[in-house]
Amino acid sequence: RKEVEQDPGPFNVPEGATVAFNCTYSNSASQSFFWYRQDCRKEPKLLMSVYSSGNEDGRFTAQLNRASQYISLLIRDSKLSDSATYLCVVNRDDKIIFGKGTRLHILP
Amino acid sequence: NAGVMQNPRHLVRRRGQEARLRCSPMKGHSHVYWYRQLPEEGLKFMVYLQKENIIDESGMPKERFSAEFPKEGPSILRIQQVVRGDSAAYFCASSPQRTPETEAFFGQGTRLTVV
Repeated sequence: RKEVEQDPGPFNVPEGATVAFNCTYSNSASQSFFWYRQDCRKEPKLLMSVYSSGNEDGRFTAQLNRASQYISLLIRDSKLSDSATYLCVVNRDDKIIFGKGTRLHILP
Repeated sequence: NAGVMQNPRHLVRRRGQEARLRCSPMKGHSHVYWYRQLPEEGLKFMVYLQKENIIDESGMPKERFSAEFPKEGPSILRIQQVVRGDSAAYFCASSPQRTPETEAFFGQGTRLTVV
């Protein structure tokens, strides 16, 4: 079993829709959690950190459930520019571990 | 403040040659991570280094691969006797300190093609 698992993609979603990404991690010693975004043939970039209390940044909301070892990302009112691969990331013992990513295509 | 700089951006090597990938971390960052991304795959951790020390190399293949981060100069990922399966994008990330709560910043990657 992979340490970080994400929904398989791709997700093809009409513009304006709400999109939800799910992620589970297997190691309870994981210390911190992030969502990164990666555009085609580019480097990953931090989208947002994820906290147990939940956090929101504009159209993006992230949630962490430590008991279930589950992380989510919600994108509201999706835009064409949201098309990318979304990577669930956990930090354990200073090792940053990436999920395989879920590809999102926003359709006009 | 320049970001993480990787060079070359693209590297073509024939089977059996050596590949040297360089990563200059952001100013003030003393922690460097190397990742490999195969086509259509996620990023796989390879090695975590601090200046002059390898902290965690659990993701490095046992043979042909080595990494260093000298006191002066960039971090180097070295692949000896490359094979076609080494073709991938290699990303370097840096952070100012141990990372549990801090972001790691990524370079633009080196795309290695072995022909």
